[in-house]
Amino acid sequence: EDQVTQSPEALRLQEGESSSLNCSYTVSGLRGLFWYRQDPGKGPEFLFTLYSAGEEKEKERLKATLTKKESFLHITAPKPEDSATYLCAVQAESGGYQKVTFGTGTKLQVIP
Amino acid sequence: ETGVTQTPRHLVMGMTNKKSLKCEQHLGHNAMYWYKQSAKKPLELMFVYSLEERVENNSVPSRFSPECPNSSHLFLHLHTLQPEDSALYLCASSQDIRVVLDGYTFGSGTRLTVV
Repeated sequence: EDQVTQSPEALRLQEGESSSLNCSYTVSGLRGLFWYRQDPGKGPEFLFTLYSAGEEKEKERLKATLTKKESFLHITAPKPEDSATYLCAVQAESGGYQKVTFGTGTKLQVIP
Repeated sequence: ETGVTQTPRHLVMGMTNKKSLKCEQHLGHNAMYWYKQSAKKPLELMFVYSLEERVENNSVPSRFSPECPNSSHLFLHLHTLQPEDSALYLCASSQDIRVVLDGYTFGSGTRLTVV
C-alpha cells in the first residue's frame, strides 16, 4: 500500500528563518510527487511536480527536491504570507488511472 | 468564472435530510474527483470520473451518491448522513486520469456539518 509521511506536523518560524519540510514515501511505481499549499478554508493549490530522483524545482522562496525515498520543501527567508499547510502527494498507476496518495501535511506558521 | 467552483461553501444538515453538493470546472478538463478532508487525516479519494464515466468508487458508503451529467459538472448527493461524515468535501479536476502532470486543480470545498 502506498504511504506518505510528512514531518514535522507543525512548524513555527521567525520571519527570515529558513527551514525544510520533509515528505517520506513508499510507493510502487512512482509516477510523480506533488507539493501543494493549502490556506485555511480553501482547497489545496498546486506548487510543484517532481518526477525523478535528483530533480529540483523552485518558485520564489520555495525549492522542492526529490530522492528515491523522500522529498524536501526548502523555505528560504520565509515571510508571514508563507504561513499555510503544505501537503505532499505521490502518484502511482492503479488500474488504468493515476492514483494519488496524500500525506497529512505540515502546518507552517511564520511569525513577523 | 475560472478554475473549479464549489457550492455551497458551508452546509449544516440533519441526519435525515437530503442535500447535494455541486462542482463546476471551467478548465476543459476530462477528469473530476471528489475528496474528503477530515482533521488530522490525509485527503481521502471518494470518486473518480473520466468523461462522465465513473472509474473509481473507493469503498464509499451508499449514503454518498455521485452524479456527473457532463465533463464540466459533478454532484455529490447526500442522504441519511452520520455525524462522522462532517468534513471538508473537495472537488478537483485534471486534464486526464491517466496523466496528472500539473497536479489537480481543487475547488475551495464545502464545509459539511451533520447534526
